[in-house]
Amino acid sequence: ETGVTQTPRHLVMGMTNKKSLKCEQHLGHNAMYWYKQSAKKPLELMFVYSLEERVENNSVPSRFSPECPNSSHLFLHLHTLQPEDSALYLCASSRSRGGESGELFFGEGSRLTVL
Amino acid sequence: GQSLEQPSEVTAVEGAIVQINCTYQTSGFYGLSWYQQHDGGAPTFLSYNALDGLEETGRFSSFLSRSDSYGYLLLQELQMKDSASYFCAVSLLSGAGSYQLTFGKGTKLSVIP
Repeated sequence: ETGVTQTPRHLVMGMTNKKSLKCEQHLGHNAMYWYKQSAKKPLELMFVYSLEERVENNSVPSRFSPECPNSSHLFLHLHTLQPEDSALYLCASSRSRGGESGELFFGEGSRLTVL
Repeated sequence: GQSLEQPSEVTAVEGAIVQINCTYQTSGFYGLSWYQQHDGGAPTFLSYNALDGLEETGRFSSFLSRSDSYGYLLLQELQMKDSASYFCAVSLLSGAGSYQLTFGKGTKLSVIP
């Protein structure tokens, strides 16, 4: 139990589907993140939400849409995905400006397969 | 651009010591972190170095040399449960005074009897 819960743990979707990934953190943190983990590649930062700012990685395609309704919940909305989007999507949280301590708390991820 | 380099795989014997190196080329460097990830599990934080030198936490130690853009993770008295992937990550100061973590590709450590 890491204090960060992701659902669903596994998701299979067609290229025309619309689905959402959900993340909830129970640690009282003020920043939340979406990372993509693909085989043989570094973890890629997709989106960051914090009290101060929302930061996007400009290389993230628009078919990925984040939503952060409050400091405890984070969503990743998915639509018209491509097979190369199949990966493990990791949510993480940190105290505000968590990069100062280098410490993120990760969920166990949502394994996405796009057919 | 930014880059982090670490070996892709390392094999070591149970009870031995292993060192996993990480070199980086970045701008706005603030600190170096290490994470452990078992197959099917979440990455978990191990250590963080913002200053040069060695940080020790039980069997694990981490080292940083800012002048050499280099760090390492040292695992002592290896146990079978230490078999996992280990990631180095740099904290970078981005716009508006916020920080982001950028990860390396990870080193898969296999501990053999």
